Amino acid sequence: SQTIHQWPATLVQPVGSPLSLECTVEGTSNPNLYWYRQAAGRGLQLLFYSVGIGQISSEVPQNLSASRPQDRQFILSSKKLLLSDSGFYLCAWSVHKQMNTEAFFGQGTRLTVV
Amino acid sequence: SQQGEEDPQALSIQEGENATMNCSYKTSINNLQWYRQNSGRGLVHLILIRSNEREKHSGRLRVTLDTSKKSSSLLITASRAADTASYFCATDPQTGANNLFFGTGTRLTVIP
Repeated sequence: SQTIHQWPATLVQPVGSPLSLECTVEGTSNPNLYWYRQAAGRGLQLLFYSVGIGQISSEVPQNLSASRPQDRQFILSSKKLLLSDSGFYLCAWSVHKQMNTEAFFGQGTRLTVV
Repeated sequence: SQQGEEDPQALSIQEGENATMNCSYKTSINNLQWYRQNSGRGLVHLILIRSNEREKHSGRLRVTLDTSKKSSSLLITASRAADTASYFCATDPQTGANNLFFGTGTRLTVIP
């Protein structure tokens, strides 16, 4: 069966520090991968998606970047965090090139920038 | 924006009552999906309705879709305290990108 791992679960980082959040998927090949951010009490905002190794698309301009160094690994990064980067970050995957498919989410990372 | 909007933002009902949540969206879609999120956790998929479907059932869940009005509703019948969570609709727009765009969610509280 497929599983998605996201870590760490919580993170407190000072303003200006770097960030690296990692997400890995097991039990499937060539998944679509996504990073979402959820502000407190709000909906999910799509930050990045990837349809293959090294292929990253960004939905919104921001202080963050994403990379996909391996087929089932998706990394969210920042060189210098801002206070506004605080939020709940969710990684998700879906089946590649399949219509009408659902997304499977990790358990999220609560990032607090202080 | 391709994001949908749910209403109400918050809903509080007694156990055993039905809960209805609505979702409106702006673009043409391949499908619309509903997800549930327990506080501080990831989202769990509940049900998917395709653009050519009008109604779908899964256990105590009933989803309707009106593509002419660009709206959907989620009905949870005979609610239980364990149904307390946030519920989000997500649209898969006809852009070919296979992305999901989420609404702002409805916070449901079921009082035992």
